[in-house]
Amino acid sequence: KAGVTQTPRYLIKTRGQQVTLSCSPISGHRSVSWYQQTPGQGLQFLFEYFSETQRNKGNFPGRFSGRQFSNSRSEMNVSTLELGDSALYLCASSAETGLGGYTFGSGTRLTVV
Amino acid sequence: GENVEQHPSTLSVQEGDSAVIKCTYSDSASNYFPWYKQELGKGPQLIIDIRSNVGEKKDQRIAVTLNKTAKHFSLHITETQPEDSAVYFCAASIETSYDKVIFGPGTSLSVIP
Repeated sequence: KAGVTQTPRYLIKTRGQQVTLSCSPISGHRSVSWYQQTPGQGLQFLFEYFSETQRNKGNFPGRFSGRQFSNSRSEMNVSTLELGDSALYLCASSAETGLGGYTFGSGTRLTVV
Repeated sequence: GENVEQHPSTLSVQEGDSAVIKCTYSDSASNYFPWYKQELGKGPQLIIDIRSNVGEKKDQRIAVTLNKTAKHFSLHITETQPEDSAVYFCAASIETSYDKVIFGPGTSLSVIP
């Protein structure tokens, strides 16, 4: 059974640009959550999607957005990149929100220069 | 909102010894407590979880205990091996409420051969 796939694995962007990250959850999983991981802040919740609807949102500025498609694949977008956006962005899928644990992808390492 | 504290932040043990990581949570409504292990370059992996109707759960060399009254839970790893070296995260959430999962700041465990 394939795991959670995140693409790309690494990205280098310039301040002010925008970026789109992709996540394909485990087949049959309808919930996709996104987390930002940094050495100083740990794992910070960005947002969660279930059946194409955003059901939860963390405390991030509006520059961070996401969406989910009918096949449960999800994308997150960060506009007007800032140096502080450099982080590992992790996607996690679960069968149903809040039921059981997550399966995480390996993440996308974003570096903003 | 929910807040999860985790101690210690770093832990070094000799191979074969036991390791204990402790977490406390703030929201008494939390009822699901997973533990994740993150190895270098990978996303967190669920290793064990416990629900609030259970006081202890074991899986081979790892065990988790929960004290609902004190709002704390612990991870115990016995007979540690070098491959146990990783960062461990505890987390808390309210299952079935579609609430987001809140993670502790992590514990970096080093097992010295």
